[in-house]
Amino acid sequence: KAGVTQTPRYLIKTRGQQVTLSCSPISGHRSVSWYQQTPGQGLQFLFEYFSETQRNKGNFPGRFSGRQFSNSRSEMNVSTLELGDSALYLCASSLARSYEQYFGPGTRLTVT
Amino acid sequence: SQQGEEDPQALSIQEGENATMNCSYKTSINNLQWYRQNSGRGLVHLILIRSNEREKHSGRLRVTLDTSKKSSSLLITASRAADTASYFCATDYNAGNMLTFGGGTRLMVKP
Repeated sequence: KAGVTQTPRYLIKTRGQQVTLSCSPISGHRSVSWYQQTPGQGLQFLFEYFSETQRNKGNFPGRFSGRQFSNSRSEMNVSTLELGDSALYLCASSLARSYEQYFGPGTRLTVT
Repeated sequence: SQQGEEDPQALSIQEGENATMNCSYKTSINNLQWYRQNSGRGLVHLILIRSNEREKHSGRLRVTLDTSKKSSSLLITASRAADTASYFCATDYNAGNMLTFGGGTRLMVKP
């Protein structure tokens, strides 16, 4: 099976802009989770989608949003970018609740 | 805030030696998972251990879980240079897929 794919892999944006990141889960996986990784805060959970519904949400401002499509592909959007949003954004898919998560390679976002 | 704390933060050993990493967490969990990350890339799942399990093995990896002490350990036996990576524990406390990660242990295995 193909693994989790994320696009784009690298992105440079300017403060105030918005960005959309995409994630394609492993075939058959209906749960998609997003995480942010920074040197200062480490790995932090953003949100999780299952069957197009957001099931869990982490402690991030409303500028961070996401959605999931009927084919389980997911997108996350960050509006009004701030310098502190520079991070590695990781997407993970899972077969079901409380199962292991399979991570994609990540999208490295740099905000200047 | 991070639920898990890993110890040590960094570990340097010679090839062939064993490496032990510890993880402590704060609240009751459904399961605990260990992941490996190579140099800013995606995470690779290693082992998932459920709250009613005490020990699991996978190849050269052995994970233990002590729910009374809220702690887990990951043992890598006969380490190899290719094991050089950061290792993270992650807890699932709400029976969902909302993982809370520790700060990680950076392991360096010298050839």
